[in-house]
Amino acid sequence: DAGVTQSPTHLIKTRGQQVTLRCSPISGHKSVSWYQQVLGQGPQFIFQYYEKEERGRGNFPDRFSARQFPNYSSELNVNALLLGDSALYLCASSLDFGFRGNQPQHFGDGTRLSIL
Amino acid sequence: DAKTTQPTSMDCAEGRAANLPCNHSTISGNEYVYWYRQIHSQGPQYIIHGLKNNETNEMASLIITEDRKSSTLILPHATLRDTAVYYCIVRVNFGNEKLTFGTGTRLTIIP
Repeated sequence: DAGVTQSPTHLIKTRGQQVTLRCSPISGHKSVSWYQQVLGQGPQFIFQYYEKEERGRGNFPDRFSARQFPNYSSELNVNALLLGDSALYLCASSLDFGFRGNQPQHFGDGTRLSIL
Repeated sequence: DAKTTQPTSMDCAEGRAANLPCNHSTISGNEYVYWYRQIHSQGPQYIIHGLKNNETNEMASLIITEDRKSSTLILPHATLRDTAVYYCIVRVNFGNEKLTFGTGTRLTIIP
């Protein structure tokens, strides 16, 4: 079975531009989370979505936004890119949410975003 | 979420058991211990998780102390492919399901 897939794998943008990253969860998984990993650090939580609704948000500016589609895939959008947004952006999916939780999150291999 | 403390780095000889410790002294009753690893240039890989009982799967064993203030991840027969950064994470079992990663332990398997 396919794991979490993310596209594109690499992306180069310039300051001030906007970017959209895409994620397809594992088949049957309804929850998607996004993380940012700066070089040398552990991943930092950005958003979690379940059933197309935002269920959690990390400490990121409003330039970051996301959405989840009826097929449970998700997009992460970042506006007005800054040099500091250069990072590996990871998507993770899990089976469910809430009291049916305690489901491990499974990660894709990420999108490497470089800002020039 | 409770904070975890892990050694920065460890070495282990190939074929030996790798024992990775983690302290989580402020863990609360509804928080699980999760372990992930990240091999260079890949996303984190789920290994195992547990609440208070010891757990074992095809990848590893998780030993949690009776007071739940610390745990040990055991890779029974380490191979070169186990070289990675290992993250110990404490997470509530429902509600806010974010994973809070620290800096992890860089495990190097030596031939």
